[in-house]
Amino acid sequence: QKEVEQDPGPLSVPEGAIVSLNCTYSNSAFQYFMWYRQYSRKGPELLMYTYSSGNKEDGRFTAQVDKSSKYISLFIRDSQPSDSATYLCAALGAGNNRKLIWGLGTSLAVNP
Amino acid sequence: DGGITQSPKYLFRKEGQNVTLSCEQNLNHDAMYWYRQDPGQGLRLIYYSQIVNDFQKGDIAEGYSVSREKKESFPLTVTSAQKNPTAFYLCASSKSWGTYGYTFGSGTRLTVV
Repeated sequence: QKEVEQDPGPLSVPEGAIVSLNCTYSNSAFQYFMWYRQYSRKGPELLMYTYSSGNKEDGRFTAQVDKSSKYISLFIRDSQPSDSATYLCAALGAGNNRKLIWGLGTSLAVNP
Repeated sequence: DGGITQSPKYLFRKEGQNVTLSCEQNLNHDAMYWYRQDPGQGLRLIYYSQIVNDFQKGDIAEGYSVSREKKESFPLTVTSAQKNPTAFYLCASSKSWGTYGYTFGSGTRLTVV
């Protein structure tokens, strides 16, 4: 079992829809959780991060972590064609393994 | 503007040849990383460097080598021992080891024929 699991999709939605992207993780010691966005043939860029449980909002984007169920979510409101990309979730490893543990990424297409 | 520069963007090599991918950063970051990205397999860590003059193997280091002689530079050599080298290679850096904010370059697409 991978430490961070993510459904690769693809996910296709109409413009204006609310998008929900999700990951699960297995190591309860993880404290920092990130969402990166990757456009085609480009490197990923950090979109949002959260520490421990709770919500964090930035414009149309909301990141949510539920540590009791080991669930990581990213919500996109009023989705736009420019949101079409691959979204990768990641957790910062704990103890001596403090590097990012990545999900496979979910491919999202927002159709005009 | 600060960032990471990977060059070249596209690279073609014949089977059996070694090839070196360049990665330069002007962010004054201590830690640097090399990833390989293949369809359906996500990001896989090849090598990482916590600080200049130091580096460690990642999850898939076989057939690759790196050096970190300068803080700003972390070149990756894909050797002829790498059985399946055709892939998209990404270099990243972070302010220090153990932080979550990675900055990525735009990647190098290596095709071995």
